[in-house]
Amino acid sequence: GNSVTQMEGPVTLSEEAFLTINCTYTATGYPSLFWYVQYPGEGLQLLLKATKADDKGSNKGFEATYRKETTSFHLEKGSVQVSDSAVYFCAGGMNRDDKIIFGKGTRLHILP
Amino acid sequence: DTAVSQTPKYLVTQMGNDKSIKCEQNLGHDTMYWYKQDSKKFLKIMFSYNNKELIINETVPNRFSPKSPDKAHLNLHINSLELGDSAVYFCASSQVGYPTDTQYFGPGTRLTVL
Repeated sequence: GNSVTQMEGPVTLSEEAFLTINCTYTATGYPSLFWYVQYPGEGLQLLLKATKADDKGSNKGFEATYRKETTSFHLEKGSVQVSDSAVYFCAGGMNRDDKIIFGKGTRLHILP
Repeated sequence: DTAVSQTPKYLVTQMGNDKSIKCEQNLGHDTMYWYKQDSKKFLKIMFSYNNKELIINETVPNRFSPKSPDKAHLNLHINSLELGDSAVYFCASSQVGYPTDTQYFGPGTRLTVL
């Protein structure tokens, strides 16, 4: 079946460090790909998305590019802030399926 | 204006009790979902409804019964609560219900079964 594999956490970085969280979707076909973020005590919210190959999603300084050859959607940020501390979920979905698939989440801690 | 709201935010109860969680969305979306998030933050879909019709019913005990009185509301009733039901339950909605739609999540209900 379809699956999303993302980097296991926790990931701990110092403020202003460069961030990468890897994500790969395994399936037959090319899904839409998403990154959701969950801040402490809150529900998930969409961070960015891409619907086709070579699309780049970006928001709040985060970026991810849909790489068709590997069906990957790695999340990057050039300079993280303490306020970026959260759990990040990669997800993917295709309309022929019945549901979106979420990864297991990656907890990110940013130290001041 | 909260897009997806849930009540209550916290629920503490004894084993064996029956409880309900309510969810409402004011986005005009056709599809609503219930997710369970465990202590490791793993997110598992439980149910989805499209215009009051059950679409997804994952392997969830019969003690869990969703009810959708209209497309803006999806409630979750749990009978005979067990310790393993302790988790955070999230309601979500999406415009049509395709897996390619963006989902909008509520703030969650933290259920603790003692």
